[in-house]
Amino acid sequence: AQKITQTQPGMFVQEKEAVTLDCTYDTSDPSYGLFWYKQPSSGEMIFLIYQGSYDQQNATEGRYSLNFQKARKSANLVISASQLGDSAMYFCAMRQDTGRRALTFGSGTRLQVQP
Amino acid sequence: KAGVTQTPRYLIKTRGQQVTLSCSPISGHRSVSWYQQTPGQGLQFLFEYFSETQRNKGNFPGRFSGRQFSNSRSEMNVSTLELGDSALYLCASSLARATSYEQYFGPGTRLTVT
Repeated sequence: AQKITQTQPGMFVQEKEAVTLDCTYDTSDPSYGLFWYKQPSSGEMIFLIYQGSYDQQNATEGRYSLNFQKARKSANLVISASQLGDSAMYFCAMRQDTGRRALTFGSGTRLQVQP
Repeated sequence: KAGVTQTPRYLIKTRGQQVTLSCSPISGHRSVSWYQQTPGQGLQFLFEYFSETQRNKGNFPGRFSGRQFSNSRSEMNVSTLELGDSALYLCASSLARATSYEQYFGPGTRLTVT
């Protein structure tokens, strides 16, 4: 069975600083994808970034980058130059390439950006 | 390009009633998945539809069902509602079923069961 662990229930960061949100995962499937989503108070899940298990390079999307360490089974999200609008819940998720292709989510990290 | 749309956005029902939620995927997307989000259980997978066929199902009772139409729009139905069914129901669409295709979520339907 696959599992996603986010050990930081809440994080604070000063505006314009960088922040790292932790995510570790467990799976026996050699092929999988890792995702990060942002969920503002409105409820919508906003896709941020994706990393495939065979990707050699860490994924980047604007101010978001994914620090993928396959041996450690970690997929941390790095947000550079935090903005007030980054305050939200952040979820790490994984999807296997075989069998059930549903997203398995972590419990989330609530990020608060302070001015 | 329009995003994933879900209707209704908010719903209040009474125990024992049934409810139908609707999801319209992004144009061209053929895979639709449904998730339930509650404070206690977090985000849990309900089911996935692709080409009008249910491909995967989560660990939910048979009261939860769904279907997908030929235009990829999907509906989910919950019968005999229980208080514990109060949740945010999220629909996600994807171009295909492969892992490399991102899943884009709709705004969700917030269901309250009283």
